[in-house]
Amino acid sequence: AQSVTQPDIHITVSEGASLELRCNYSYGATPYLFWYVQSPGQGLQLLLKYFSGDTLVQGIKGFEAEFKRSQSSFNLRKPSVHWSDAAEYFCSVTGGGNKLTFGTGTQLKVEL
Amino acid sequence: SQTIHQWPATLVQPVGSPLSLECTVEGTSNPNLYWYRQAAGRGLQLLFYSVGIGQISSEVPQNLSASRPQDRQFILSSKKLLLSDSGFYLCAWSRGLAGGRNEQFFGPGTRLTVL
Repeated sequence: AQSVTQPDIHITVSEGASLELRCNYSYGATPYLFWYVQSPGQGLQLLLKYFSGDTLVQGIKGFEAEFKRSQSSFNLRKPSVHWSDAAEYFCSVTGGGNKLTFGTGTQLKVEL
Repeated sequence: SQTIHQWPATLVQPVGSPLSLECTVEGTSNPNLYWYRQAAGRGLQLLFYSVGIGQISSEVPQNLSASRPQDRQFILSSKKLLLSDSGFYLCAWSRGLAGGRNEQFFGPGTRLTVL
């Protein structure tokens, strides 16, 4: 069975600082990986996805993520965080079926 | 372009009352449809998914049921709500593509409070 671990429940960064949110997955074959963002009381918005090919993927809002098979990781990064990036971030994985498995999320707080 | 609607946005219901949450998708046909429940600190729990009209797969035994009476309509129901049914309910859709390249697109959610 597939699973996702987001080890950081809360992260606080200063505006303008760099950001890295960790995601580790468990799946026996090549996974399909996603990062979503959720603002309070809202639905989830897709930030980026990895299916195959280049292991560094670019997404919306200046985010990127790198797939590292050897580490079973798909960490999300942003070089300079804006106050509007404060939200909850979810990593998810699928192995080719109809279902996504989500991590428990990382709550990002941005200090001005 | 595709859009997904959920209503109501918020709902407060007494224990033992029935429930009906509706989700509709526009701009696509034959989508896969999903119902999730989100509890604080617990991520998203998949409740039901559907790959076609009348085809419902239940992921977790519970007090809820789902139906898909039309291609782009997905309904979450309960005959008698429990306190534990409180939460944030999200509907999502994806293209019915084989092979797993199926990113999901989420609706705005319904906040359900059972008192």
